[in-house]
Amino acid sequence: LAKTTQPISMDSYEGQEVNITCSHNNIATNDYITWYQQFPSQGPRFIIQGYKTKVTNEVASLFIPADRKSSTLSLPRVSLSDTAVYYCLVGDRVRTNAGKSTFGDGTTLTVKP
Amino acid sequence: AAGVIQSPRHLIKEKRETATLKCYPIPRHDTVYWYQQGPGQDPQFLISFYEKMQSDKGSIPDRFSAQQFSDYHSELNMSSLELGDSALYFCASSLQNTGELFFGEGSRLTVL
Repeated sequence: LAKTTQPISMDSYEGQEVNITCSHNNIATNDYITWYQQFPSQGPRFIIQGYKTKVTNEVASLFIPADRKSSTLSLPRVSLSDTAVYYCLVGDRVRTNAGKSTFGDGTTLTVKP
Repeated sequence: AAGVIQSPRHLIKEKRETATLKCYPIPRHDTVYWYQQGPGQDPQFLISFYEKMQSDKGSIPDRFSAQQFSDYHSELNMSSLELGDSALYFCASSLQNTGELFFGEGSRLTVL
């Protein structure tokens, strides 16, 4: 299993760009990197997924260097409603992405006014 | 769009009782997952099913069992409940080859 390491917490202010980095040194060839967001007492919500280089969608970007040993979730111009826990998961997308790579210690992002 | 439906949303049980949680995945999703999230903790993977067969097993206690039925809904059965079983239980579903999990709103179990 690819173990992931993320900062425990981060603080930011409204309107700033936030970058959360996840380390996954033993990522396997078939593994994808997926990020989820979770608000208190709610189920995690898919944000973005990637394999290499850069992926962008309407809410975030995901940067993955060539060695794939880390990844960075970028949230542009955060707002108070982005205050949540963010999880980085690494796993085989074909089989079960989350089943083989359980949710590790996420990053609690606090956005301040 | 249809989401993952979990029931009941809240459940209160006494120690040593039995509880059953139900999950109705998004239509046409072939994989169902169960997670347990204790207070202040991260979601812990319990078990998953692909096409009604168990596909992966995580930290599910022997007192717990689960199955997926012919209509793809899944049930998590918990027996001999302990105080430490009090948690939010999430069900998620996905299409096997996408890796994108859709979570339900969870079932909050309180064991007294």
